[in-house]
Amino acid sequence: DIVLTQTPLSLSVTPGQPASISCKSSQSLLHSDGKTYFYWYLQKPGQSPQLLIYEVSRRVSGVPDRFSGSGSGTDFTLKISRVEAEDVGVYYCMQGLYFRSFGQGTKVDIK
Amino acid sequence: QVQLQESGPGLVKPSETLSLTCAVSGYSITSGYLWAWVRQPPEKGLEWIGSIYHDGNTYYNASLKSRVSISVDTSRNQFSLKLSSVTAADTAVYYCVRGGLYWGQGALVTVSS
Repeated sequence: DIVLTQTPLSLSVTPGQPASISCKSSQSLLHSDGKTYFYWYLQKPGQSPQLLIYEVSRRVSGVPDRFSGSGSGTDFTLKISRVEAEDVGVYYCMQGLYFRSFGQGTKVDIK
Repeated sequence: QVQLQESGPGLVKPSETLSLTCAVSGYSITSGYLWAWVRQPPEKGLEWIGSIYHDGNTYYNASLKSRVSISVDTSRNQFSLKLSSVTAADTAVYYCVRGGLYWGQGALVTVSS
């Protein structure tokens, strides 16, 4: 099984400041087709998870460009360039190479 | 617009079978994509339960495989989850998902006598 480990598990950010979340996979997520099946989700309070980023760095339509994803192989990062109040919630990474599995989640709140 | 809606009993007794259905609108299940169930115990993280593709192939979480079944009803454009021999540890919000983009609002299922 692929294990995803997120750090930190919680983050308190001042509005307008950047934030960064790391996700490390126990195995490379690079497929033989050249794609890396790695995703980022945000679950806002009381809501279903919403997909932000797919294939490491591709933003879903409608996701603000302050969100960016990077990484390769086993190490991935989600960056928020300037945190806004609406960005609070729990962020999950997910791999889609071998079945599916999620990281533990990183709770982001506003200072 | 693709919409998914979970339905089913909100309370299931221990040792019984949990059954949920996901009604899909705005897209035909037979047209493609992966259709899945994900659950979230109270105050905990997300767990992928299993998936079924439009071709009928299924994939289940190894930790639940012996108890899980996912099927599709093409005539009603819906898919279903059955989880047998439930315990309190199966208490969770259950989400149905298309691919990874479209999620239902979630259905809370409590396992209790």
